[in-house]
Amino acid sequence: EAQVTQNPRYLITVTGKKLTVTCSQNMNHEYMSWYRQDPGLGLRQIYYSMNVEVTDKGDVPEGYKVSRKEKRNFPLILESPSPNQTSLYFCASSPLAGNYNEQFFGPGTRLTVL
Amino acid sequence: LAKTTQPISMDSYEGQEVNITCSHNNIATNDYITWYQQFPSQGPRFIIQGYKTKVTNEVASLFIPADRKSSTLSLPRVSLSDTAVYYCLVGDGGYSTLTFGKGTMLLVSP
Repeated sequence: EAQVTQNPRYLITVTGKKLTVTCSQNMNHEYMSWYRQDPGLGLRQIYYSMNVEVTDKGDVPEGYKVSRKEKRNFPLILESPSPNQTSLYFCASSPLAGNYNEQFFGPGTRLTVL
Repeated sequence: LAKTTQPISMDSYEGQEVNITCSHNNIATNDYITWYQQFPSQGPRFIIQGYKTKVTNEVASLFIPADRKSSTLSLPRVSLSDTAVYYCLVGDGGYSTLTFGKGTMLLVSP
């Protein structure tokens, strides 16, 4: 089954404790991205990757890191999480970059930073 | 990137047709218009995409006037399960950053 998977689905952590949220897709897509969703603010793009070893900032990249060492994986790294990073996170992939390519979203990761 | 404006919320009843309009006055020549649907605590899901005139698929229609400064997503005979947030996106292959905005919360009542 074609899908985007994220792990963990739920995570409660404390300020400053490094964490990684994994994202994997099995559709051989070149483009992958991370979004965060907060009440009243909609979906905002954090980082995206056009292909392996190619990443770039989205609208809200502060406090996050990403890497794209393999085509299928695009982990989101929070080196020193803070309470303002409490949010619902979505990973997405599409065949290529651009709005004319349908994006496929993962199930989401709900992160709470205490 | 073309900025989009949508109503924050809309209400409807089962069986009615719902039209959600998105304004995108600064749309560029190469931009496409795409709509996504999102249920609570789930990732958005692609609904429909178009460039001009009318596009129809099994779940919705998309109407785009000649000047392309707006677009209307039409959902025929909505049911309770159509209660969701609907996002309008405008952009093309040249834009790697995609902006979803705040979307339109559609509430369908019995």
